[in-house]
Amino acid sequence: NAGVTQTPKFRVLKTGQSMTLLCAQDMNHEYMYWYRQDPGMGLRLIHYSVGEGTTAKGEVPDGYNVSRLKKQNFLLGLESAAPSQTSVYFCASSRSGGAALGELFFGEGSRLTVL
Amino acid sequence: GQSLEQPSEVTAVEGAIVQINCTYQTSGFYGLSWYQQHDGGAPTFLSYNGLDGLEETGRFSSFLSRSDSYGYLLLQELQMKDSASYFCAVKGSYIPTFGRGTSLIVHP
Repeated sequence: NAGVTQTPKFRVLKTGQSMTLLCAQDMNHEYMYWYRQDPGMGLRLIHYSVGEGTTAKGEVPDGYNVSRLKKQNFLLGLESAAPSQTSVYFCASSRSGGAALGELFFGEGSRLTVL
Repeated sequence: GQSLEQPSEVTAVEGAIVQINCTYQTSGFYGLSWYQQHDGGAPTFLSYNGLDGLEETGRFSSFLSRSDSYGYLLLQELQMKDSASYFCAVKGSYIPTFGRGTSLIVHP
């Protein structure tokens, strides 16, 4: 049972380069999220999706785009990477409704460095 | 908006009991969750309180008081492996918002 899988796990980019992080979940969850984690800042929501074909902005969306073309996949794109986007990125998913929204399942993280 | 406050660091000795507090301000509150994260790892779900009161799961318990906008995580019989960061998170509508985390250091 894979749960939530993120690829790649590590990446080094140069300023201005673009890349896409892929998140895949095999639990048939409706909701998916992208967070970034920086030292002392906790987890901050970038974008989220409440179902296939829908996306919405979170707390820190600038410089990122997302797509949810298939229910099981949630892609996070950086069009022109900046050093401020050096971070650990976590994808998460949850079932819909009630207490289920209180339990998020996280991927192992993607560590991105922008030089 | 939503904001959460929790201590940045707590230390305790092996075998002891420790409480990590969380206060929050939010609109549309639905529940309070707790997550554990070891260094270099992913956050893992510990507990969820949708109603006032105490929820117990093994050595871990979590409490919620909605009237006080307050909750806590209680860890009993501390073990070295409990050294980790602990995050509270509030669920408002679709969006879970996380606190900045409490680093728990367990000493022998």
